[in-house]
Amino acid sequence: NAGVTQTPKFQVLKTGQSMTLQCAQDMNHEYMSWYRQDPGMGLRLIHYSVGAGITDQGEVPNGYNVSRSTTEDFPLRLLSAAPSQTSVYFCASSHRGRGGFRHTGELFFGEGSRLTVL
Amino acid sequence: GDSVTQMEGPVTLSEEAFLTINCTYTATGYPSLFWYVQYPGEGLQLLLKATKADDKGSNKGFEATYRKETTSFHLEKGSVQVSDSAVYFCALSDRGTGNQFYFGTGTSLTVIP
Repeated sequence: NAGVTQTPKFQVLKTGQSMTLQCAQDMNHEYMSWYRQDPGMGLRLIHYSVGAGITDQGEVPNGYNVSRSTTEDFPLRLLSAAPSQTSVYFCASSHRGRGGFRHTGELFFGEGSRLTVL
Repeated sequence: GDSVTQMEGPVTLSEEAFLTINCTYTATGYPSLFWYVQYPGEGLQLLLKATKADDKGSNKGFEATYRKETTSFHLEKGSVQVSDSAVYFCALSDRGTGNQFYFGTGTSLTVIP
């Protein structure tokens, strides 16, 4: 019963360093996404994908890259970390919705990755 | 644009008390409405949902009714338990924006014995 698995759970970076947050799901979901959770701001969408080879930007994409080479994996890359990227990051997945919609409306979340940039 | 506004927390209740967490929304289209719950150390999970006006979503004793006239989706439970302690997020998904999710800021609930 793995569901959505995120690694690492905790990471501390120095400004300017790069890193990749990993996300894997075993439910054969077409839709995958990355959110960041900040105090007083709820969850905000960073990037999403509706299938292998297809990615698009969300609400706050700057400073982040993604790729989707397989259905199962959707890594999030920070190319040059900044203190403003200190946050908790969540990966979420879903089946694709009917009628061309991105997802069914029920998102399955990973446990989160807490990133601190000094 | 679309948005969700929910009640500020934190909320502290005694066991068996009545719970209401207010949520109102703004949407340009015909949104579906959701409540997600985040237990300590875990990711968010869907608690309940409603896809059209006057629908009532329910799960684990929680209920919320989609009120289009007041643009609200308040979460209620008649008798809370210690195990309900969590952060609750109201969210909407708008077909007009391709089902993009908009989350509220979350309301932390602590239930004391």
